[in-house]
Amino acid sequence: GAGVSQTPSNKVTEKGKYVELRCDPISGHTALYWYRQSLGQGPEFLIYFQGTGAADDSGLPNDRFFAVRPEGSVSTLKIQRTERGDSAVYLCASSLDGSSGANVLTFGAGSRLTVL
Amino acid sequence: AQSVTQPDIHITVSEGASLELRCNYSYGATPYLFWYVQSPGQGLQLLLKYFSGDTLVQGIKGFEAEFKRSQSSFNLRKPSVHWSDAAEYFCAPRAGGTSYGKLTFGQGTILTVHP
Repeated sequence: GAGVSQTPSNKVTEKGKYVELRCDPISGHTALYWYRQSLGQGPEFLIYFQGTGAADDSGLPNDRFFAVRPEGSVSTLKIQRTERGDSAVYLCASSLDGSSGANVLTFGAGSRLTVL
Repeated sequence: AQSVTQPDIHITVSEGASLELRCNYSYGATPYLFWYVQSPGQGLQLLLKYFSGDTLVQGIKGFEAEFKRSQSSFNLRKPSVHWSDAAEYFCAPRAGGTSYGKLTFGQGTILTVHP
Protein backbone atom coordinates (compact mmCIF):
# COMPACT_ATOMS: atom_id res chain seq x y z
CA GLY A 1 0.00 0.00 0.00
CA ALA A 2 0.87 3.67 -0.10
CA GLY A 3 1.74 3.90 3.57
CA VAL A 4 2.14 1.85 6.72
CA SER A 5 -1.26 0.65 7.88
CA GLN A 6 -2.03 -0.24 11.50
CA THR A 7 -5.12 -1.87 12.92
CA PRO A 8 -6.99 -1.32 15.10
CA SER A 9 -6.52 2.41 15.47
CA ASN A 10 -8.00 2.17 18.97
CA LYS A 11 -8.27 -0.76 21.32
CA VAL A 12 -9.76 -0.77 24.80
CA THR A 13 -9.30 -3.89 26.87
CA GLU A 14 -9.46 -5.06 30.44
CA LYS A 15 -6.50 -5.87 32.63
CA GLY A 16 -5.37 -9.44 32.12
CA LYS A 17 -6.72 -9.82 28.58
CA TYR A 18 -4.75 -10.75 25.47
CA VAL A 19 -4.31 -8.20 22.68
CA GLU A 20 -3.05 -8.35 19.10
CA LEU A 21 -2.02 -5.30 17.07
CA ARG A 22 -1.44 -5.58 13.34
CA CYS A 23 0.93 -3.74 11.04
CA ASP A 24 0.89 -3.81 7.23
CA PRO A 25 4.12 -2.24 5.94
CA ILE A 26 4.78 -0.44 2.69
CA SER A 27 4.94 -2.94 -0.15
CA GLY A 28 8.53 -3.99 -0.84
CA HIS A 29 9.92 -2.86 2.51
CA THR A 30 11.97 -5.66 4.02
CA ALA A 31 12.46 -4.10 7.44
CA LEU A 32 9.70 -3.56 10.00
CA TYR A 33 9.83 -1.93 13.43
CA TRP A 34 7.61 -1.62 16.49
CA TYR A 35 7.85 1.33 18.86
CA ARG A 36 5.77 2.29 21.90
CA GLN A 37 4.87 5.87 22.80
CA SER A 38 3.57 6.57 26.29
CA LEU A 39 1.77 9.79 27.09
CA GLY A 40 4.11 12.77 27.05
CA GLN A 41 7.11 10.73 25.93
CA GLY A 42 8.99 10.08 22.73
CA PRO A 43 8.59 6.70 21.05
CA GLU A 44 10.66 3.84 22.48
CA PHE A 45 12.04 1.02 20.38
CA LEU A 46 10.57 -2.44 20.92
CA ILE A 47 11.65 -4.75 18.10
CA TYR A 48 13.01 -4.75 14.55
CA PHE A 49 12.48 -7.39 11.86
CA GLN A 50 14.61 -7.89 8.79
CA GLY A 51 12.52 -10.17 6.63
CA THR A 52 10.88 -12.82 8.79
CA GLY A 53 13.40 -12.80 11.60
CA ALA A 54 13.71 -10.50 14.59
CA ALA A 55 17.08 -8.78 14.12
CA ASP A 56 16.85 -6.89 17.41
CA ASP A 57 14.26 -7.47 20.15
CA SER A 58 16.16 -5.73 22.90
CA GLY A 59 13.37 -3.24 23.53
CA LEU A 60 10.64 -5.72 24.43
CA PRO A 61 9.91 -4.94 28.09
CA ASN A 62 9.19 -8.50 29.27
CA ASP A 63 8.02 -11.90 28.10
CA ARG A 64 4.38 -10.78 27.92
CA PHE A 65 5.28 -9.02 24.68
CA PHE A 66 5.89 -10.98 21.50
CA ALA A 67 5.92 -10.08 17.80
CA VAL A 68 5.85 -12.15 14.64
CA ARG A 69 6.28 -11.57 10.93
CA PRO A 70 5.81 -15.04 9.45
CA GLU A 71 5.88 -14.17 5.76
CA GLY A 72 8.12 -11.13 5.85
CA SER A 73 5.30 -8.67 5.31
CA VAL A 74 2.49 -8.18 7.85
CA SER A 75 3.52 -8.21 11.49
CA THR A 76 1.51 -8.78 14.66
CA LEU A 77 2.48 -7.49 18.09
CA LYS A 78 1.00 -9.70 20.80
CA ILE A 79 0.58 -8.70 24.43
CA GLN A 80 -0.45 -11.29 26.99
CA ARG A 81 -2.00 -10.60 30.40
CA THR A 82 -2.22 -6.89 29.72
CA GLU A 83 -1.50 -4.44 32.53
CA ARG A 84 -2.57 -0.83 32.94
CA GLY A 85 1.02 0.24 32.33
CA ASP A 86 0.81 -1.20 28.83
CA SER A 87 -1.53 1.63 27.85
CA ALA A 88 0.23 3.58 25.08
CA VAL A 89 0.28 4.21 21.36
CA TYR A 90 2.02 1.40 19.53
CA LEU A 91 3.73 2.62 16.38
CA CYS A 92 4.83 0.51 13.48
CA ALA A 93 7.36 1.60 10.85
CA SER A 94 8.92 0.06 7.79
CA SER A 95 11.94 0.74 5.60
CA LEU A 96 13.41 -0.58 2.37
CA ASP A 97 16.41 -2.26 3.93
CA GLY A 98 17.22 -2.29 7.62
CA SER A 99 20.81 -3.29 7.01
CA SER A 100 21.70 -0.06 5.23
CA GLY A 101 23.16 3.01 6.88
CA ALA A 102 20.89 5.11 4.67
CA ASN A 103 17.90 3.45 6.29
CA VAL A 104 14.89 5.77 6.69
CA LEU A 105 11.80 4.70 8.59
CA THR A 106 8.23 5.50 7.52
CA PHE A 107 5.76 5.35 10.41
CA GLY A 108 2.11 4.39 10.59
CA ALA A 109 -0.52 6.37 12.51
CA GLY A 110 -0.34 3.98 15.44
CA SER A 111 -2.67 1.80 17.51
CA ARG A 112 -3.81 3.38 20.75
CA LEU A 113 -4.14 0.73 23.47
CA THR A 114 -6.03 1.48 26.66
CA VAL A 115 -6.01 -1.10 29.45
CA LEU A 116 -8.72 -0.55 32.04
CA ALA B 1 25.19 5.17 27.44
CA GLN B 2 23.62 6.65 24.36
CA SER B 3 21.16 9.46 25.02
CA VAL B 4 19.40 12.39 23.41
CA THR B 5 18.12 15.56 25.07
CA GLN B 6 15.57 18.06 23.87
CA PRO B 7 15.82 20.75 26.56
CA ASP B 8 12.64 22.61 25.63
CA ILE B 9 9.43 20.74 26.38
CA HIS B 10 7.16 23.50 25.08
CA ILE B 11 7.87 26.52 22.85
CA THR B 12 5.44 29.24 21.82
CA VAL B 13 6.12 31.55 18.89
CA SER B 14 4.13 34.03 16.85
CA GLU B 15 3.31 33.26 13.27
CA GLY B 16 6.07 34.63 11.03
CA ALA B 17 8.71 34.51 13.77
CA SER B 18 11.84 32.43 13.49
CA LEU B 19 12.19 29.11 15.30
CA GLU B 20 15.01 27.04 16.72
CA LEU B 21 14.46 23.71 18.47
CA ARG B 22 17.41 22.28 20.32
CA CYS B 23 18.74 18.74 20.29
CA ASN B 24 21.85 17.41 22.02
CA TYR B 25 23.07 13.83 21.93
CA SER B 26 25.62 11.69 23.67
CA TYR B 27 27.01 8.86 21.55
CA GLY B 28 30.43 7.25 21.25
CA ALA B 29 30.64 8.05 17.54
CA THR B 30 28.66 10.50 15.47
CA PRO B 31 25.24 8.96 14.97
CA TYR B 32 22.89 9.30 12.07
CA LEU B 33 20.52 12.15 12.98
CA PHE B 34 16.83 12.65 12.24
CA TRP B 35 14.06 15.11 13.03
CA TYR B 36 10.46 13.92 12.96
CA VAL B 37 7.21 15.86 13.40
CA GLN B 38 3.99 14.49 14.87
CA SER B 39 0.65 16.23 14.50
CA PRO B 40 -2.30 15.19 16.69
CA GLY B 41 -3.71 11.87 15.52
CA GLN B 42 -1.03 11.53 12.86
CA GLY B 43 1.98 9.33 12.49
CA LEU B 44 5.54 10.56 12.69
CA GLN B 45 6.68 12.34 9.55
CA LEU B 46 10.35 12.69 8.64
CA LEU B 47 11.44 16.33 8.33
CA LEU B 48 15.11 15.82 7.53
CA LYS B 49 18.13 13.66 8.15
CA TYR B 50 21.92 13.92 8.44
CA PHE B 51 24.20 11.06 7.51
CA SER B 52 27.46 12.78 6.51
CA GLY B 53 28.83 15.63 4.39
CA ASP B 54 27.41 19.13 4.45
CA THR B 55 26.53 19.98 8.04
CA LEU B 56 23.55 22.16 7.08
CA VAL B 57 20.72 19.99 5.80
CA GLN B 58 17.48 21.07 4.23
CA GLY B 59 14.21 19.31 4.84
CA ILE B 60 10.55 19.52 3.98
CA LYS B 61 8.21 22.39 4.88
CA GLY B 62 11.06 24.92 4.89
CA PHE B 63 12.92 23.37 7.84
CA GLU B 64 16.68 23.05 8.11
CA ALA B 65 19.05 21.66 10.70
CA GLU B 66 22.72 22.16 11.44
CA PHE B 67 25.01 19.42 12.72
CA LYS B 68 27.71 20.69 15.07
CA ARG B 69 30.14 17.97 16.04
CA SER B 70 31.93 20.07 18.66
CA GLN B 71 28.67 20.71 20.50
CA SER B 72 27.07 17.30 19.85
CA SER B 73 24.02 19.18 18.61
CA PHE B 74 21.58 18.97 15.74
CA ASN B 75 19.25 21.96 16.12
CA LEU B 76 16.20 22.41 13.92
CA ARG B 77 15.42 25.85 12.49
CA LYS B 78 12.82 27.61 10.40
CA PRO B 79 13.09 31.29 9.39
CA SER B 80 9.35 32.02 9.42
CA VAL B 81 6.85 29.81 11.23
CA HIS B 82 3.37 29.12 9.84
CA TRP B 83 0.32 28.28 11.95
CA SER B 84 0.31 24.80 10.39
CA ASP B 85 3.72 24.09 11.96
CA ALA B 86 2.07 23.66 15.35
CA ALA B 87 2.91 20.06 16.32
CA GLU B 88 5.35 18.03 18.39
CA TYR B 89 8.91 17.68 17.14
CA PHE B 90 11.26 14.81 17.92
CA CYS B 91 15.00 14.56 17.48
CA ALA B 92 16.11 10.97 16.95
CA PRO B 93 19.72 9.83 16.66
CA ARG B 94 20.56 6.35 15.47
CA ALA B 95 23.84 4.56 16.06
CA GLY B 96 25.63 2.92 13.18
CA GLY B 97 26.84 -0.64 12.94
CA THR B 98 24.17 -3.23 13.64
CA SER B 99 21.72 -0.78 15.22
CA TYR B 100 20.26 0.51 11.99
CA GLY B 101 16.77 -0.29 13.17
CA LYS B 102 16.89 1.46 16.50
CA LEU B 103 16.12 5.15 16.74
CA THR B 104 16.38 6.80 20.14
CA PHE B 105 13.79 9.54 20.37
CA GLY B 106 14.05 12.62 22.53
CA GLN B 107 11.19 13.58 24.80
CA GLY B 108 9.85 15.94 22.16
CA THR B 109 9.21 19.68 21.91
CA ILE B 110 5.63 20.86 21.58
CA LEU B 111 5.36 23.91 19.33
CA THR B 112 2.45 26.33 19.73
CA VAL B 113 2.00 29.06 17.12
CA HIS B 114 0.10 32.24 17.97
CA PRO B 115 -1.59 34.18 15.16
